[in-house]
Amino acid sequence: GAVVSQHPSRVICKSGTSVKIECRSLDFQATTMFWYRQFPKKSLMLMATSNEGSKATYEQGVEKDKFLINHASLTLSTLTVTSAHPEDSSFYICSASFQGQGEAFFGQGTRLTVV
Amino acid sequence: DQQVKQNSPSLSVQEGRISILNCDYTNSMFDYFLWYKKYPAEGPTFLISISSIKDKNEDGRFTVFLNKSAKHLSLHIVPSQPGDSAVYFCAAPLVQGAQKLVFGQGTRLTINP
Repeated sequence: GAVVSQHPSRVICKSGTSVKIECRSLDFQATTMFWYRQFPKKSLMLMATSNEGSKATYEQGVEKDKFLINHASLTLSTLTVTSAHPEDSSFYICSASFQGQGEAFFGQGTRLTVV
Repeated sequence: DQQVKQNSPSLSVQEGRISILNCDYTNSMFDYFLWYKKYPAEGPTFLISISSIKDKNEDGRFTVFLNKSAKHLSLHIVPSQPGDSAVYFCAAPLVQGAQKLVFGQGTRLTINP
């Protein structure tokens, strides 16, 4: 199947700093990517839809100024957690699909710990 | 509002036996359902799906059953193997034909040798 790669897989940062997470589709072009967040022992919650060449659309309750999304090319979307706080510590996962159709493929996820 | 619910947080099954994972949903507009398997510190991997026009879909050891009147689906794994130990999520597209998914809470399946 198609491969979606996330980087880094694990990051620890200090409170108040910003962290960038990359999501790449390795063997296909993804006009749309999705960012999810998973709290411990909880479900994956959709945060936002990343659209290539346009602004991301955020789900209700997600702060767009805190979670900056950039989808500058058909193979790369980035999520930047700005001014991170300990409550931002979570597992962040992206997904992508062929032209928004069919099965969505997930990245490996990024474990963010803010200390 | 939890539109997709997995009420069993965990399940233990003996190797070789059948594992049955359940999922309920509240939105009758959902027309497609997916099951994902997830290992710790990894992203989910797609397992099997079912369209609402079907009541059963089978792929090897995995079968998904859909009961639309009850808004219930289940994933059967038989025979269960130790490598099946993982967290299983059921999911449905928030928008028809799209990949924005709403997930259940997940069920941790443990296969005992």
